[in-house]
Amino acid sequence: AQKITQTQPGMFVQEKEAVTLDCTYDTSDPSYGLFWYKQPSSGEMIFLIYQGSYDQQNATEGRYSLNFQKARKSANLVISASQLGDSAMYFCAMGAYGGATNKLIFGTGTLLAVQP
Amino acid sequence: EPEVTQTPSHQVTQMGQEVILRCVPISNHLYFYWYRQILGQKVEFLVSFYNNEISEKSEIFDDQFSVERPDGSNFTLKIRSTKLEDSAMYFCASRGDPNTGELFFGEGSRLTVL
Repeated sequence: AQKITQTQPGMFVQEKEAVTLDCTYDTSDPSYGLFWYKQPSSGEMIFLIYQGSYDQQNATEGRYSLNFQKARKSANLVISASQLGDSAMYFCAMGAYGGATNKLIFGTGTLLAVQP
Repeated sequence: EPEVTQTPSHQVTQMGQEVILRCVPISNHLYFYWYRQILGQKVEFLVSFYNNEISEKSEIFDDQFSVERPDGSNFTLKIRSTKLEDSAMYFCASRGDPNTGELFFGEGSRLTVL
């Protein structure tokens, strides 16, 4: 069975500083993908970044990077130069590949507050 | 940019009533999903749909739930007899390639059961 764990229910960061949101996972599937989504107070789910289990390099998307450590089964999200608009709930998710479904399993989320 | 659209954005209903939530996935996508998020909790998988049939469903997706793709564009979630605990945000999602990349979410339909 797959499991995603986000141990930080809430985080504070000062504007313009970097912040790391933790995510660990557990799976027996050989191929899988790791995702981060942002959910602002308006409720929509915004895709941020994706990492495939066989990708050699850590994924980056603008100010977002994914610190993927396969041996430790961690996929932490790093946000550089935080902005006030980054204040939101952040969800880590995982999906196994090779099946007909490839559903995503989500963690419980981390609420990030960016302070001016 | 193509997007998943959902209607209604918010629905209030009485317990025991039937509700239909509608979704228009991205046009060339083949894999469709419904997820649910109870207020303050994590996003939970309900059901996946491929090739005009359910490919997987969670234990949440009991006999009160059904999905349908009545035409080439819409993907609906029906709750036959709503319960108080069905109150949640319901997200539709779609993807083109199941083995890579992004799952595109709609903006959600908030269901309130009174």
